[in-house]
Amino acid sequence: DAGVIQSPRHEVTEMGQEVTLRCKPISGHNSLFWYRQTMMRGLELLIYFNNNVPIDDSGMPEDRFSAKMPNASFSTLKIQPSEPRDSAVYFCASRSQTGRQFFGPGTRLTVL
Amino acid sequence: GQQVMQIPQYQHVQEGEDFTTYCNSSTTLSNIQWYKQRPGGHPVFLIQLVKSGEVKKQKRLTFQFGEAKKNSSLHITATQTTDVGTYFCAALDSSYKLIFGSGTRLLVRP
Repeated sequence: DAGVIQSPRHEVTEMGQEVTLRCKPISGHNSLFWYRQTMMRGLELLIYFNNNVPIDDSGMPEDRFSAKMPNASFSTLKIQPSEPRDSAVYFCASRSQTGRQFFGPGTRLTVL
Repeated sequence: GQQVMQIPQYQHVQEGEDFTTYCNSSTTLSNIQWYKQRPGGHPVFLIQLVKSGEVKKQKRLTFQFGEAKKNSSLHITATQTTDVGTYFCAALDSSYKLIFGSGTRLLVRP
């Protein structure tokens, strides 16, 4: 099993540009989570999906952030337009039936 | 909303010394999970505790869940440099999402 796959691993962009982060969860996992991690705010849950349906998006910072899960094997997190304060590591995680969460390697986003 | 408080924020120990991190909640928890994140890495699941008073061991790591299911601890005996990283506790809330503590960063002097 390849684990949770995220792309890109690193992204450097300029303020105002659109950024799309991608995630492939572990096959058979029904829940998918997007987190953001910074030194100042720690690990924050942005949104989570269950069976491809968004269940809780209360952590999404503002309308510039959107997430989709068109099928069980793919999800995207989009930031449009991006701002320097969005710079962070973004993790995707999927959850097994036992409740254990498996994190992807993360995308390190830098917005200049 | 549910919050999980974790202390200390940092711990710097000499290799061979013990280390403990604590996790507390004002509400009863259904379960508690522990994760480790190495520098530059991603959180990795260590263990899940479900029962009141439960104690589980993984080699030099001992995990406890309080009798009232409101607190938990992770104790490492005789730390090694490979133990360096940030340890997070996390608890399921009523909507089945994990609420993470702020983490304890462990540094080990060789």
